[in-house]
Amino acid sequence: EDQVTQSPEALRLQEGESSSLNCSYTVSGLRGLFWYRQDPGKGPEFLFTLYSAGEEKEKERLKATLTKKESFLHITAPKPEDSATYLCAVQARNDYKLSFGAGTTVTVRA
Amino acid sequence: DSGVTQTPKHLITATGQRVTLRCSPRSGDLSVYWYQQSLDQGLQFLIQYYNGEERAKGNILERFSAQQFPDLHSELNLSSLELGDSALYFCASSVAGTVHQETQYFGPGTRLLVL
Repeated sequence: EDQVTQSPEALRLQEGESSSLNCSYTVSGLRGLFWYRQDPGKGPEFLFTLYSAGEEKEKERLKATLTKKESFLHITAPKPEDSATYLCAVQARNDYKLSFGAGTTVTVRA
Repeated sequence: DSGVTQTPKHLITATGQRVTLRCSPRSGDLSVYWYQQSLDQGLQFLIQYYNGEERAKGNILERFSAQQFPDLHSELNLSSLELGDSALYFCASSVAGTVHQETQYFGPGTRLLVL
């Protein structure tokens, strides 16, 4: 069974204080690893898809990287509006469903 | 705005009742997925439909059923509701369930409260 573990569970940052979120996964053949952002009471908002080890993608202050066993979401110089729960999910090669981790809740203080 | 719409936004009902949640996928998307998000379980896959046909099932209870109609909208039916069914229910859609690599876009969700 696919397993996704995210750490830390919660992260409190000062505005401008860069940090990284970790997503460790086990899957029987990775089709893709997905990062989503979720605000309270809202639906997950797509951020990135990573397909193979060594791949990196960037969007504004966010950068996602992938290895064979884990992915990192780096937040550079965060702003209060980056406060959200960040979800990592994997999709196996023989499947289409997403298996999600529990998420990391990021709070950025001004 | 992802382009996926869900109704209703909120639903309050009693144990033993039956409810229907509705989802309209993004224009052009053929696949619809249903997920349940509760505080203790996180986001869990329930079921997938592709162009009107059931494609995959996850941890969906026998009391729950779904279908996708010719216009590609989907409905999730929850019956004999229990307190533990209280959760956020999300619909997601993707272009097609047969492409190697694709992204699922999520709707705003339906918050179900069973009293």
